[in-house]
Amino acid sequence: GESVGLHLPTLSVQEGDNSIINCAYSNSASDYFIWYKQESGKGPQFIIDIRSNMDKRQGQRVTVLLNKTVKHLSLQIAATQPGDSAVYFCAENRDQTGANNLFFGTGTRLTVIP
Amino acid sequence: DAGVIQSPRHEVTEMGQEVTLRCKPISGHNSLFWYRQTMMRGLELLIYFNNNVPIDDSGMPEDRFSAKMPNASFSTLKIQPSEPRDSAVYFCASSSSETQYFGPGTRLLVL
Repeated sequence: GESVGLHLPTLSVQEGDNSIINCAYSNSASDYFIWYKQESGKGPQFIIDIRSNMDKRQGQRVTVLLNKTVKHLSLQIAATQPGDSAVYFCAENRDQTGANNLFFGTGTRLTVIP
Repeated sequence: DAGVIQSPRHEVTEMGQEVTLRCKPISGHNSLFWYRQTMMRGLELLIYFNNNVPIDDSGMPEDRFSAKMPNASFSTLKIQPSEPRDSAVYFCASSSSETQYFGPGTRLLVL
């Protein structure tokens, strides 16, 4: 069935290195995607979003890349810091009726090694 | 600005008891979402409201779960009777567009 999934459930990186978190989606009609960060004991926090008419969007130390051909989404974190350790979720809006209903992936746990 | 507010933050109860979770969305947001998060099933959408009206409750596990939104600034999720398998973190989120903003969650433990 249709789903949002992550390739890697865990990722460990050295402090200062760049991190890349990947996400595959299966609904080619999805037109909006979001990355969330969830720290232990907290709710998911919005990081960055991208619409399907874009291939790349940059924020502060984060970049989201969208490849619609292979239905792949990635989050790049530059100069990863210990505070970046968290679970990262991708989410997609599959609903073209205007409802703001997001479908979430299973999450990737990022661990930053000092 | 205050974000989404949820109460209580932690709840421990015994099987069979009624549990009521509360949420205050961000002022001006017209959509409200209730999610459940567990290690086994991840983040699941239970129900969402648009302009205080329930739009999709297909994620509500069973009749023991009910949700209401009597006005634009308040929503409740009720479990009656509660069971141990209901133990999870319950999140409320609100939005005025496609981006949802989450509350801190209520950690529920049913013994």
